[in-house]
Amino acid sequence: QVQLVQSGPEVKKPGSSVKVSCKASGGTFSSYAITWVRQAPGQGLEWMGRIIPIVGTVNYAQKFQGRVTITADKSTSTAYMELSSLRSEDTAVYYCVTPPPTTTSFDYWGQGTLVTVSS
Amino acid sequence: NFMLTQPHSVSESPGKTVTISCTRSSGSIATNYVHWYQQRPGSVPTTVIYEDNQRPSGVPDRFSGSIDSSSNSASLTISGLRTEDEADYYCHSSDSRNQVFGGGTKLTVL
Repeated sequence: QVQLVQSGPEVKKPGSSVKVSCKASGGTFSSYAITWVRQAPGQGLEWMGRIIPIVGTVNYAQKFQGRVTITADKSTSTAYMELSSLRSEDTAVYYCVTPPPTTTSFDYWGQGTLVTVSS
Repeated sequence: NFMLTQPHSVSESPGKTVTISCTRSSGSIATNYVHWYQQRPGSVPTTVIYEDNQRPSGVPDRFSGSIDSSSNSASLTISGLRTEDEADYYCHSSDSRNQVFGGGTKLTVL
């Protein structure tokens, strides 16, 4: 069973950056497709991008291109999502997610990290 | 990029059946799997249907999924509605580079 444990809540100023971590256990980290999804208060789910450490592939949603960086450290089984040039609209819960090896559904979710952007 | 369009909300009485649609704007609905998630308030989403019509273990058979190529849409059907089914439901699919969620449907069981 895969477990994803994320870093704690963050409060950031507009224009700054935030880096959220996601430590995985229970499986082969390199073969995961670690995906980042966010959910603004009262809003729906929004895909931001994903990384597949075993092949080094990174894909970003067009909306976040140039502002988001997703990385992975295989030595610690930890993925990171850094979002820059923060604005108030980026206030949201950020989730790391991964499917099991046999399908593409998002079966495993981190607990979520609340990022609040406020002056 | 394509979009997945869901009704904003649906409501139905306990014991009845409800169907939530998810229409793909471009590209064939049949080309990439559709998955469905349930999200109760304050909780992380959980998978109720994967790969169009497969039910994870632990999900009651009251939940079923299907796709319809003629309307380029997927559907989640919940029969024998219970109050605990009240939640937000999201469809999810992909293309070669992107993952997309529908906007979510709030199900009220009244």
